[in-house]
Amino acid sequence: KAGVTQTPRYLIKTRGQQVTLSCSPISGHRSVSWYQQTPGQGLQFLFEYFSETQRNKGNFPGRFSGRQFSNSRSEMNVSTLELGDSALYLCASSLIGYSHTDTQYFGPGTRLTVL
Amino acid sequence: DAKTTQPPSMDCAEGRAANLPCNHSTISGNEYVYWYRQIHSQGPQYIIHGLKNNETNEMASLIITEDRKSSTLILPHATLRDTAVYYCIVRVATGANSKLTFGKGITLSVRP
Repeated sequence: KAGVTQTPRYLIKTRGQQVTLSCSPISGHRSVSWYQQTPGQGLQFLFEYFSETQRNKGNFPGRFSGRQFSNSRSEMNVSTLELGDSALYLCASSLIGYSHTDTQYFGPGTRLTVL
Repeated sequence: DAKTTQPPSMDCAEGRAANLPCNHSTISGNEYVYWYRQIHSQGPQYIIHGLKNNETNEMASLIITEDRKSSTLILPHATLRDTAVYYCIVRVATGANSKLTFGKGITLSVRP
């Protein structure tokens, strides 16, 4: 079974631009979560989608948004990029997301650099 | 979610057992203890989780104290490939909340 895939793996943008990152979950998984990892703040939860609906949201500004499609694939968008948005963005998928046996599997991440 | 406390780093010799401690003194009765690890620049990898009983799988063992205020992850025969940051996480695993709250983790260095 293929794992979680994220595209692109690396991205360079300039301040003020916007960016869209993509995540394809493991086949059959309906819950997709997004995390941001920076050296200063560590791994922080952005949001979670289940059945095309945002079910949980972390403490990030409205510039960070996401969506999920009917095939469970998810995208996240960051508008008006700031230097501080440079980070590794990780996607994780799980079957339904709310059982203790429902393991979250992470993708390799997208490394975003904002210049 | 309850918070966890881990020492920043530890090392062990290859082939020996690595015992990684975690303190979670404010854990609630419905919170599970999860362990993930992250090898440099890769996505975190699930290792094991438990509620109150000790757990073992092909990767590791998890020992949770009777009062559930602390736990230890045991890698029985550490290899160089086990060098990583290990995260201890407590989380309510029922209801619509899959959020994982990561702390700083503990960096395990396995030396030859």
